[in-house]
Amino acid sequence: GAVVSQHPSWVICKSGTSVKIECRSLDFQATTMFWYRQFPKQSLMLMATSNEGSKATYEQGVEKDKFLINHASLTLSTLTVTSAHPEDSSFYICSAPKASFELENIQYFGAGTRLSVL
Amino acid sequence: AQSVTQLDSHVSVSEGTPVLLRCNYSSSYSPSLFWYVQHPNKGLQLLLKYTSAATLVKGINGFEAEFKKSETSFHLTKPSAHMSDAAEYFCVVTSRGGGGNKLTFGTGTQLKVEL
Repeated sequence: GAVVSQHPSWVICKSGTSVKIECRSLDFQATTMFWYRQFPKQSLMLMATSNEGSKATYEQGVEKDKFLINHASLTLSTLTVTSAHPEDSSFYICSAPKASFELENIQYFGAGTRLSVL
Repeated sequence: AQSVTQLDSHVSVSEGTPVLLRCNYSSSYSPSLFWYVQHPNKGLQLLLKYTSAATLVKGINGFEAEFKKSETSFHLTKPSAHMSDAAEYFCVVTSRGGGGNKLTFGTGTQLKVEL
């Protein structure tokens, strides 16, 4: 199956600093990637859609200046949490769609990044 | 618009007994439905998917699900639970006609497997 790599898996930072999370599709190209946020014992909430070569599309209520997304290539999207605060502490997960033989796009997920802001 | 309802937030079964995790959906377009499993502090793994072919879908690790349009359901089942099945399970819907890849997640069902 397809592989999506997410790095780092865990990061601790001080309040006010910025943190960058990388999402790579290892064996396929992805013009679109998705970023999710998951609070403890809750479901995944879509934050934004990362588009290669154009601006990301943010879901309602997500601050685009807070969560900067860059889709630098067909295999890499980055999420930067700027001026992080304790309320930004969460589990962030990326996904990338890959076409299957049924011509349906199947989403493959990274292992997630646990962000803890002190 | 699309939505998913997972009817049980927690399910507890004994090892070797059947598993049933319930999911109902709504979608304005022809839906694609998925079940994903998430182990603690891990990403999501695809268990199985329904697109438009057979309504009974078999997935990995002995899981299967049946798409019932009349009931707008896509319940996940397994004949015999194993300790390693303990995890969080998410039912997910996407609409082929209404936006392609955007997934809508259910709230999840925590499966506990006891000896």
